Amino acid sequence: SQTIHQWPATLVQPVGSPLSLECTVEGTSNPNLYWYRQAAGRGLQLLFYSVGIGQISSEVPQNLSASRPQDRQFILSSKKLLLSDSGFYLCALGGDPKAQYFGPGTRLTVL
Amino acid sequence: SQKIEQNSEALNIQEGKTATLTCNYTNYSPAYLQWYRQDPGRGPVFLLLIRENEKEKRKERLKVTFDTTLKQSLFHITASQPADSATYLCALERYSGGYQKVTFGTGTKLQVIP
Repeated sequence: SQTIHQWPATLVQPVGSPLSLECTVEGTSNPNLYWYRQAAGRGLQLLFYSVGIGQISSEVPQNLSASRPQDRQFILSSKKLLLSDSGFYLCALGGDPKAQYFGPGTRLTVL
Repeated sequence: SQKIEQNSEALNIQEGKTATLTCNYTNYSPAYLQWYRQDPGRGPVFLLLIRENEKEKRKERLKVTFDTTLKQSLFHITASQPADSATYLCALERYSGGYQKVTFGTGTKLQVIP
């Protein structure tokens, strides 16, 4: 069965610091992968998606970036965090049936 | 612009009753409509999917209806239990550029009172 790992689980970072969140999946190959952000009291916002190694599409222009160096690895990064980057970051796998399967998430607080 | 609306107010119901949650959408032609459950501090969990050519789908105590004319889906939980308390998200899926794109509503919080 498919498993999604995310780390770290929680992170507290100062404004202006860099960020790297990692997502890895098991039990599948060539997955479609997604990064979402959920701000407090708000819905899920799609940030990036990837259909393969090195293939990244951005949904929302911002100071975040994503990379997919390996088939089952998806990384979310920032060079300089903003206060507005705080939120719950979720990695998801496009599955079959046509649903999204989510990882456990990373809670990011920018101070 | 495309919009998905769920009742942002929490829904409180008595244990044993049927909970009904509403999802309305505009400016979409979704291929599928999905419902997810999200518990605090956790990622959403997929519950049910209904296709655009289906009117109703059931899974155990869950029932989903999909009216593409009204652009509305109803999500029912029969014989509700306190363990059903969570936030329920509606999501619309369509294919764009060869990949699956899912857009989520903001969710409705359900509280089942013993």
